[in-house]
Amino acid sequence: EAQVTQNPRYLITVTGKKLTVTCSQNMNHEYMSWYRQDPGLGLRQIYYSMNVEVTDKGDVPEGYKVSRKEKRNFPLILESPSPNQTSLYFCASSFEGIPDTQYFGPGTRLTVL
Amino acid sequence: SQQGEEDPQALSIQEGENATMNCSYKTSINNLQWYRQNSGRGLVHLILIRSNEREKHSGRLRVTLDTSKKSSSLLITASRAADTASYFCASRNSGYSTLTFGKGTMLLVSP
Repeated sequence: EAQVTQNPRYLITVTGKKLTVTCSQNMNHEYMSWYRQDPGLGLRQIYYSMNVEVTDKGDVPEGYKVSRKEKRNFPLILESPSPNQTSLYFCASSFEGIPDTQYFGPGTRLTVL
Repeated sequence: SQQGEEDPQALSIQEGENATMNCSYKTSINNLQWYRQNSGRGLVHLILIRSNEREKHSGRLRVTLDTSKKSSSLLITASRAADTASYFCASRNSGYSTLTFGKGTMLLVSP
């Protein structure tokens, strides 16, 4: 089944404790992206990648890191999480190196205490 | 920065009625996409309309695009309770590789 998977789905952590949210897709998509969704603000793009070893900042990249060493994986790293990073995070992918017709993962709900 | 803005923020209708949602954007776009999100879940792509298209249909969905007014509308005909969800427009600016989402319209379809 074609899908985007994210792990973990739920995470409660404390300020400053490094964490990684994994994202994997099995559709051989070139484009992958991370978004955060906050009430009243909609979805905002954090980082995106148009292909392996190619990443770029979105609208809200501060406090996040990403890497794209393999085509299928696009992990989101929070080196020192803070409470303002409490949010619902979505990974998405699309076939060509552009964000058209994106497939979304199920989301990761992160709480930073 | 956010540029897609949906209107209304919330819409409540009865089953069988039509639902219309509007989206405005600010800059020149390559295309505009509509997505649906069931409560707290991942978004699902519904339809994409390119800047050189004016209207597009997919099943009970009809999307229009007016580039002179920088606006788009999504019409869902003969709504069903299962259409209850949030609907987001997302624009891809010309020359950019990013997608900018609006804040969404919450649609409630009552049986």
